[in-house]
Amino acid sequence: SQTIHQWPATLVQPVGSPLSLECTVEGTSNPNLYWYRQAAGRGLQLLFYSVGIGQISSEVPQNLSASRPQDRQFILSSKKLLLSDSGFYLCVGSVNTEAFFGQGTRLTVV
Amino acid sequence: GQNIDQPTEMTATEGAIVQINCTYQTSGFNGLFWYQQHAGEAPTFLSYNVLDGLEEKGRFSSFLSRSKGYSYLLLKELQMKDSASYLCAVRDTGGFKTIFGAGTRLFVKA
Repeated sequence: SQTIHQWPATLVQPVGSPLSLECTVEGTSNPNLYWYRQAAGRGLQLLFYSVGIGQISSEVPQNLSASRPQDRQFILSSKKLLLSDSGFYLCVGSVNTEAFFGQGTRLTVV
Repeated sequence: GQNIDQPTEMTATEGAIVQINCTYQTSGFNGLFWYQQHAGEAPTFLSYNVLDGLEEKGRFSSFLSRSKGYSYLLLKELQMKDSASYLCAVRDTGGFKTIFGAGTRLFVKA
């Protein structure tokens, strides 16, 4: 079965510092991959999605970026974090009708 | 534009039945999902509807009407562990993007 490994589980970073969150996929190839953010008490907001290596679509203008250097690797980055970047970040994979989730990263920007 | 609406909160009694509604307006439609999310955890898959009608899976059922842009999740014989957020999500026609609603927080009381 498909699984997503996402790390770290929690992260506290100062404002202005860089960010790199990584997720890797096991058990399938050529998945669609997504980064979502969930602010406290709110739903999942789609940030980026990728249908293949090097293919990134951005849904929301922000100071975040994403990259997919390998088929099963998806990275969320920022050069300078803002306080508003705090939230719960989820990496999600999708193959046909199935979606599978990483365990999420709780990011607190201080 | 893309919009998914669900109630913010609901409260129900242990052993009872609760129906969580979801309405959507999206540019395309290629399936509707329901997920359960406990606080601080990743969502877990509950159901998938792509054709009109009712899908039953144990204590959980999900209904879809594509012409009305409407779905509901029905939970029977409520248990305390059913207290969680329930997310409605719609996948677009190309199957690339999945848009999530803000979720409905369900509180089950004794």
